Amino acid sequence: GDSVTQMEGPVTLSEEAFLTINCTYTATGYPSLFWYVQYPGEGLQLLLKATKADDKGSNKGFEATYRKETTSFHLEKGSVQVSDSAVYFCALTEYGNKLVFGAGTILRVKS
Amino acid sequence: GAGVSQSPSNKVTEKGKDVELRCDPISGHTALYWYRQRLGQGLEFLIYFQGNSAPDKSGLPSDRFSAERTGESVSTLTIQRTQQEDSAVYLCASPRDSYNEQFFGPGTRLTVL
Repeated sequence: GDSVTQMEGPVTLSEEAFLTINCTYTATGYPSLFWYVQYPGEGLQLLLKATKADDKGSNKGFEATYRKETTSFHLEKGSVQVSDSAVYFCALTEYGNKLVFGAGTILRVKS
Repeated sequence: GAGVSQSPSNKVTEKGKDVELRCDPISGHTALYWYRQRLGQGLEFLIYFQGNSAPDKSGLPSDRFSAERTGESVSTLTIQRTQQEDSAVYLCASPRDSYNEQFFGPGTRLTVL
């Protein structure tokens, strides 16, 4: 079945550092890809998405590019802030159906 | 409503008791999903509703778990004879239809003692 693998955390960075959180997937078809974020004490929110190969999703300074050849959707941000501290989940859906999530990566940003 | 709401926000129960978890989706959203998030893990799909019917129940972990939806609105997830391994945050998501972004509720944290 479909699956998502993302790098284990926690990831601890200093403010203004560059962030990469790796995500790879396996799917039988042609999935849509998502990054969700869960801030402390809050619900899960969609951060960005991409629906076809070479699409780049972006939001709040975060970016991820759908790479079909490497089955990857790595999350990047050029300069993280303390307020970016959260848990980040990579996810996919095929045929617009149920979401399949990775295990989540905790990001801690220190000032 | 403005967003997806769930109740209760926290539930502590004793092993063997039954619990009911409620989800109120965004008004007009026809599809509804239930997921479970165990500590330190990603979300696991439980069940999907389209309207009042459930075409995909493949994620329900055992026959102790059931869910229903009425009036294309509120959904209730019922866990019978709870076990400690049922402890998790149960999340409900409501996309406009099956092919759109899923909006998540705040979740119900279930603790089985």
